[in-house]
Amino acid sequence: GDSVTQMEGPVTLSEEAFLTINCTYTATGYPSLFWYVQYPGEGLQLLLKATKADDKGSNKGFEATYRKETTSFHLEKGSVQVSDSAVYFCALSGSARQLTFGSGTQLTVLP
Amino acid sequence: SAVISQKPSRDICQRGTSLTIQCQVDSQVTMMFWYRQQPGQSLTLIATANQGSEATYESGFVIDKFPISRPNLTFSTLTVSNMSPEDSSIYLCSVVSLHIYNEQFFGPGTRLTVL
Repeated sequence: GDSVTQMEGPVTLSEEAFLTINCTYTATGYPSLFWYVQYPGEGLQLLLKATKADDKGSNKGFEATYRKETTSFHLEKGSVQVSDSAVYFCALSGSARQLTFGSGTQLTVLP
Repeated sequence: SAVISQKPSRDICQRGTSLTIQCQVDSQVTMMFWYRQQPGQSLTLIATANQGSEATYESGFVIDKFPISRPNLTFSTLTVSNMSPEDSSIYLCSVVSLHIYNEQFFGPGTRLTVL
């Protein structure tokens, strides 16, 4: 079945540091890939998505590129802020539209 | 994007009782799902709520424990039956809209604590 493997956390960075959260997947066919974010005490929000190979999703300074050859969708941000502190989930969606989530990565950004 | 509300937002329940969670969407959607997020964990799909027919359950989840209804295109309920402390989780509904078919939007979740 489908699966998502996500970089273990927690991750602690200083403000303005570079962020990478690794995500790799296993799936049949051509899934869509997503990053969701969950801020403390809030619901799950879609951060960005990519629906086909070589697509780059971007939002709020975050980027991720759909790499079919390496089955990866790593999340990056050039300069993190304290307000980026949250839990980040990588996910994929197959033909049935159900989401398969990674384990989540807790990010803490220190001022 | 679809706006999703869930009721209740949180509840504390006694062991052996049941709780019904409602999910209401402000527009017609194609698919509705129910997920569980246990404390400190990721999200796990419980079932796909099918309009007018029985839900499709994932491995490890059964209808007797998690009965689901979806009477129309904008509303669904999930019941957590005969609760135990292990059912303490956040329960989230999500939808795929008619217009943005490759995205899922999530409700705010229902935080359930079972004593």
